[in-house]
Amino acid sequence: EAGVAQSPRYKIIEKRQSVAFWCNPISGHATLYWYQQILGQGPKLLIQFQNNGVVDDSQLPKDRFSAERLKGVDSTLKIQPAKLEDSAVYLCASSSGTSGMRDTQYFGPGTRLTVL
Amino acid sequence: AQSVAQPEDQVNVAEGNPLTVKCTYSVSGNPYLFWYVQYPNRGLQFLLKYITGDNLVKGSYGFEAEFNKSQTSFHLKKPSALVSDSALYFCAVRDTGTYKYIFGTGTRLKVLA
Repeated sequence: EAGVAQSPRYKIIEKRQSVAFWCNPISGHATLYWYQQILGQGPKLLIQFQNNGVVDDSQLPKDRFSAERLKGVDSTLKIQPAKLEDSAVYLCASSSGTSGMRDTQYFGPGTRLTVL
Repeated sequence: AQSVAQPEDQVNVAEGNPLTVKCTYSVSGNPYLFWYVQYPNRGLQFLLKYITGDNLVKGSYGFEAEFNKSQTSFHLKKPSALVSDSALYFCAVRDTGTYKYIFGTGTRLKVLA
């Protein structure tokens, strides 16, 4: 079974530029998560989708971050404009969405963003 | 609010010795607890989880974790450490209200040859 795929793996941009990340979850997984992991910290949930609907985006800085999952499969996360403090690893994860609290998340390799 | 704490930033252990990475939790209701490992430039890999049942949970790569309700702990253990176990380990709990995963700050494990 293929895992969660993410691209690009690395991205370097200047502040005020825009950037987009792509995620393809494990086949059949209904739930998709985007996390931000700042160096030295644990992952912080940005947004959670169930199929193509948003379940939780309470910690997404909506003035600059946006995410979509139009067909309930792939997802993109965009930052526009980027700030220095957005430098982090952006992790995508997916879970089956069928086991409630027992669901296990599986993570992709992440995209390391550096904002100069 | 639900939370997890990993009291040690780093744990050093000699190869072949047993290892323990500590995690304590605070939840309302039944805890759903997870351990993940992160190797350099990689995403988090699932190791094991406690949902209910036996207090000793066995997971991937020879790891196990002991759930202790009275001490609200879920420590990760391995009987004999390998140099290749050196990585960053995260404990997580699911918030019973929002279903969110709440991660600890991570513990860096260094296994010395």
